[in-house]
Amino acid sequence: DGGITQSPKYLFRKEGQNVTLSCEQNLNHDAMYWYRQDPGQGLRLIYYSQIVNDFQKGDIAEGYSVSREKKESFPLTVTSAQKNPTAFYLCASSMVEAAYGYTFGSGTRLTVV
Amino acid sequence: AQSVTQLDSQVPVFEEAPVELRCNYSSSVSVYLFWYVQYPNQGLQLLLKYLSGSTLVKGINGFEAEFNKSQTSFHLRKPSVHISDTAEYFCAVDSGTYKYIFGTGTRLKVLA
Repeated sequence: DGGITQSPKYLFRKEGQNVTLSCEQNLNHDAMYWYRQDPGQGLRLIYYSQIVNDFQKGDIAEGYSVSREKKESFPLTVTSAQKNPTAFYLCASSMVEAAYGYTFGSGTRLTVV
Repeated sequence: AQSVTQLDSQVPVFEEAPVELRCNYSSSVSVYLFWYVQYPNQGLQLLLKYLSGSTLVKGINGFEAEFNKSQTSFHLRKPSVHISDTAEYFCAVDSGTYKYIFGTGTRLKVLA
């Protein structure tokens, strides 16, 4: 079955370390997105990519980096520059036509210890 | 700029009672509107969407929503809720850029 796979489901990181969250899709979607979810704040866009080898900053890109070397993959790196990285991270993908809606992964919960 | 407002952060309701979750949006252009549901520690799942045409949209799990252009609203309704409907619900808007704006969510708590 087609879908989006995020791994790992839970991740613990020590302060000062970089960590990479994986997102893979087999839906043949062109666009991919990373959102951060905090209680009471909804979903905030970190980065998005509409095509391979191209990506744009979202509303809260500081302290994060991404790459899009393959259509299927859009990994997110949380760097040590991100001051408050503990959160639930969601990856999504969509076709070029927005009308189809997003497909979401099951999320990665990152905790800084 | 687009924005989405979900006025109710939490809505408690008894099982088999009707429920309405409110969503208002702000946009100067035509928009697509969506409702998503999120169960604990999971991703979001599409409930329904409004693209054009009929203002009453039916989705999965017995939910429906009505698009009201004059009031810029897209409220979600269900005539009779079940315990399994307990979840967080997000309204989202897109003006065709496929970069959605999400509301802050409404936690629906169904009580036995």
